[in-house]
Amino acid sequence: DTEVTQTPKHLVMGMTNKKSLKCEQHMGHRAMYWYKQKAKKPPELMFVYSYEKLSINESVPSRFSPECPNSSLLNLHLHALQPEDSALYLCASSQAQNNEQFFGPGTRLTVL
Amino acid sequence: SQQGEEDPQALSIQEGENATMNCSYKTSINNLQWYRQNSGRGLVHLILIRSNEREKHSGRLRVTLDTSKKSSSLLITASRAADTASYFCALENTGNTPLVFGKGTRLSVIA
Repeated sequence: DTEVTQTPKHLVMGMTNKKSLKCEQHMGHRAMYWYKQKAKKPPELMFVYSYEKLSINESVPSRFSPECPNSSLLNLHLHALQPEDSALYLCASSQAQNNEQFFGPGTRLTVL
Repeated sequence: SQQGEEDPQALSIQEGENATMNCSYKTSINNLQWYRQNSGRGLVHLILIRSNEREKHSGRLRVTLDTSKKSSSLLITASRAADTASYFCALENTGNTPLVFGKGTRLSVIA
């Protein structure tokens, strides 16, 4: 299985909602990533987990809260988001940090 | 961390032609990676080239790296309509910092 899956594909939420994005891989990769991508822009790194521990937080606001329950799963908990947080949220994994990354299809998030 | 500068920002070619995209950077890197992204989808890894390598091939793709000029190029030969996508270079800067993606080149291949 060489796939990274993400759910949901689309999410619309209000500014007071709490929701979670999920990411899963079964390639035995030990590094997992969350990226945010706005239209016609490159992906911007948010968080890196290495061996299930948060290794990098790129100064992301606390309304985004990552969680790595086990080596195959990565969650991103969302709370009190702003309309400017609307974007494509991409999950990726790699054998180790900075090896080639395998990306999921993304979750298209709209905050109303 | 430095970001690669891609050139051109957009490229439109006819099917069958070759497409060349460039990525320049300013300070030393450990490796440079190229990724493709179809509209609104996840990125797909194409090629990783290390700082001690000069050229790599994968199918119709050829990547070169010139560390003296601090630049890399991605050549797609005999392009197809399905190659239409955005192409990003990503730098692994020295110091084990995370990958940084450039702004990308939007390639349109017209059938």
